[in-house]
Amino acid sequence: QITLKESGPTLVKPTQTLTLTCTFSGFSLSTSGVGVGWIRQPPGKALEWLALIYWDDDKRYSPSLKSRLTISKDTSKNQVVLTMTNMDPVDTATYYCAHSIMTLVRGVIIFRGFDYWGQGTLVTVSS
Amino acid sequence: DTVMTQTPLSSPVTLGQPASISCRSSQSLVHSDGNTYLSWLQQRPGQPPRLLIYKISNRFSGVPDRFSGSGAGTDFTLKISRVEAEDVGVYYCMQATQFPWTFGQGTKVEIK
Repeated sequence: QITLKESGPTLVKPTQTLTLTCTFSGFSLSTSGVGVGWIRQPPGKALEWLALIYWDDDKRYSPSLKSRLTISKDTSKNQVVLTMTNMDPVDTATYYCAHSIMTLVRGVIIFRGFDYWGQGTLVTVSS
Repeated sequence: DTVMTQTPLSSPVTLGQPASISCRSSQSLVHSDGNTYLSWLQQRPGQPPRLLIYKISNRFSGVPDRFSGSGAGTDFTLKISRVEAEDVGVYYCMQATQFPWTFGQGTKVEIK
């Protein structure tokens, strides 16, 4: 059973750096094809993809936020960490982490985007 | 970036009646491996998103068969054959064919 849970501060001040941790179970980030991503959702708005890290430490970022984001993993702790610098009130959102995997089963590529999601954590940016 | 455009943005539906949501991408979602990585997610009120459909038409584990997906290239559709009360929420299409992965604006399904 795959589960993910986000943790971090609920309130940060403008210009501060946000650090979020995704702690997961039911899979290993050292398994070929596995990835963990971050997605955010401002209140009442749509989902926005932020970053993704793969089992082989390949990292992908949203181009519009790339200069502010860093994603890393600690395989031994089953954790993925996202840092976002220079926080602004517009960054107020619920931040989700999610599981992704690409595998080959009987010659067919199985890839579902994000198939398991955490519950999310609301981060408010305010002075 | 690939822009995902959903229509309608709101869909009032009578219980037991069908619902349909369209998603159009700004460029083809066919990957170099020949697959199309278009998925549909459901977000019930106060809940995280939940995967319903992947690779255009494949239902994820535990998803009722009243949900179906179709389409190709740049045009995709999610259909609910008979809407139930638990289907209320916002539905998103998402493409994972190319980075950055992108989502549609969401379509709110509500009961009339």
